[in-house]
Amino acid sequence: DIQMTQSPSSLSASVGDTVTITCRASQRISNYLNWFQQKPGKAPKVLISGASSLHSGVPSRFSGSGSGTDFTLTITNLQPEDFATYYCQQSYLTYITFGQGTRLEIK
Amino acid sequence: DVQLVESGGGLVQPGGFLRLSCAASGLIFSDYSMQWVRQAPGKGLEWVCYISSDGDTIYYRDSVKGRFTISRDNPQKSMYLQMTRLRADDTAVYYCVTSSTFHWGQGALVTVSS
Repeated sequence: DIQMTQSPSSLSASVGDTVTITCRASQRISNYLNWFQQKPGKAPKVLISGASSLHSGVPSRFSGSGSGTDFTLTITNLQPEDFATYYCQQSYLTYITFGQGTRLEIK
Repeated sequence: DVQLVESGGGLVQPGGFLRLSCAASGLIFSDYSMQWVRQAPGKGLEWVCYISSDGDTIYYRDSVKGRFTISRDNPQKSMYLQMTRLRADDTAVYYCVTSSTFHWGQGALVTVSS
């Protein structure tokens, strides 16, 4: 299995801040890396696929980068609706694995 | 708009069985490979199984192999998860997800408890 390690596991920030979440794969996965946002009681929502492609309707303050084993999700100018839990996911193998999640809280 | 609607969740005793359904609309269902992903209460996301668009290729995570069966009916635009020999650690919200476009259903809660 490919292990996905996210850091940090939780993060406090203020509206208007810029935050970065990292995700490291235990082996190279090219750009088969996706990012999801989940709010309490709701299904996850895709933000970015292919490491850096923003999905339709996702605000441009979200961006993703990386390739191989190291990836980042950056959110600039944090908005109140961005406080949620974020997950990375590798889809390089059909045995898909997720990171453990990063909880982004309001400071 | 793409819509995925899960049904069939509920409370079941350990060792019991349950069948989840996922009804799709707003997409050409037969074009999409599909997955089930689950989330235990207060925990992270966990991939469960995968089925190709034509149903010929199937994969399961190790902990459900031999107990869960994924299937699909393309003319009915539906996917299914037959779960047998259920255990307490199968308790979770189960989501159906399209593999390439990452549309998610609202989830179905499965609770395994005596």
